[in-house]
Amino acid sequence: DIQMTQSPSTLSASVGDRVTITCRASQSISSWLAWYQQKPGKAPKLLIHDASTLESGVPSRFSGSGSGTEFTLTISSLQPDDFATYFCQQHNSYPYTFGQGTKLEIK
Amino acid sequence: EVQLVESGGGLVQPGGSLRLSCVASGFTFSSHSMNWVRQAPGKGLEWISYVSHTGSPLYYADSVKGRFTISRDNAKNSLFLQMNSLRAEDTALYYCARDSGYCTDTGCYRWHDAWGQGTLVTVSS
Repeated sequence: DIQMTQSPSTLSASVGDRVTITCRASQSISSWLAWYQQKPGKAPKLLIHDASTLESGVPSRFSGSGSGTEFTLTISSLQPDDFATYFCQQHNSYPYTFGQGTKLEIK
Repeated sequence: EVQLVESGGGLVQPGGSLRLSCVASGFTFSSHSMNWVRQAPGKGLEWISYVSHTGSPLYYADSVKGRFTISRDNAKNSLFLQMNSLRAEDTALYYCARDSGYCTDTGCYRWHDAWGQGTLVTVSS
């Protein structure tokens, strides 16, 4: 199985900050990576697929990049609604494994 | 509006069984592959099972293989998860998730673009 490792596990930031979350795969997954946002008590929400394709309706301050084994999710200017937990998931091969999550907290 | 509504969760003893359901609306259910993803309390997400839009093929995580069975009824816009031989570590919120994606000459690639709100399964004596 492909292992996905996110860093950091927790990130403290302020409104307006630029933040980056990293996701590493244990083997190459080309560009087959998705990012999800989850708020407490809610279902995950798709943000990005194919490493950099923004899902319809997702604000343009979110962006994704990377290929192979290293990927990043960047939020260009944090908004209050962005404080949540973020998960990456490889969609290269089954089982579709997730990273352990990055909790984005208010500093 | 796309909606996925799970049901069937509850408290069950170790070794017991449960059948989860997910009813879909707002889209052509028979055109999308579907998944079950679970989340243990306070933990991360774990993909556990996939079914294609036609009902085959099926894929499972090793953690549930041989114990859980995914199925669907396209006439009833419904997805199911039969869970047998339940263990304490199966305690989680179970989400159904719709796939979108595409196929290339190297394979088919899907992502979960719609999720239900989940149904809680608790395995405890």
